[in-house]
Amino acid sequence: DADVTQTPRNRITKTGKRIMLECSQTKGHDRMYWYRQDPGLGLRLIYYSFDVKDINKGEISDGYSVSRQAQAKFSLSLESAIPNQTALYFCATSDTRQGINTGELFFGEGSRLTVL
Amino acid sequence: KNQVEQSPQSLIILEGKNCTLQCNYTVSPFSNLRWYKQDTGRGPVSLTIMTFSENTKSNGRYTATLDADTKQSSLHITASQLSDSASYICVVKSGGYNKLIFGAGTRLAVHP
Repeated sequence: DADVTQTPRNRITKTGKRIMLECSQTKGHDRMYWYRQDPGLGLRLIYYSFDVKDINKGEISDGYSVSRQAQAKFSLSLESAIPNQTALYFCATSDTRQGINTGELFFGEGSRLTVL
Repeated sequence: KNQVEQSPQSLIILEGKNCTLQCNYTVSPFSNLRWYKQDTGRGPVSLTIMTFSENTKSNGRYTATLDADTKQSSLHITASQLSDSASYICVVKSGGYNKLIFGAGTRLAVHP
């Protein structure tokens, strides 16, 4: 089983619909992230969370919201999906519990979202 | 502006050949540089990390170099295999802002 699990893996929806992408991890890591990947662009950070009570906006948070329901769960919501939110979305984790932060990210398998 | 640029954008080589991927960055202050491999339809996986004091580091057939003076890194793949077909992403960690800056990646295709 994957250490970082994303659901759904693929989703096609229509403009204006509410969509939730879910992420769960069994690595015990404290930090969780949501990234978006578009062809020809680097991964871009949407939101990140350092612990259950800490949520932070990334560089492209407009149109998205998140919830850290537990240390192991971090969900991303699109309240009213639009076509330019069509992309590959990745959840990632990192571990700073030992006081060392090398920046290594552990990614899920990705969720491909298509908004028509 | 903190940026990471990778070249080439894409590359096709024959199985068994060597290749080198480039990463130039303007991130300051610099903390470390990491290369990830992303197989098609999968999430990126870390290959190696380079810190300021390291010039060369190998991981099997992958060898990464770092020149902190010119702010350049390279990833050399020796005796390529079909399984090396993937995107390779360069990520620089900024020490000042504890921020990760991603390159757009190089897509490598290894043909038999």
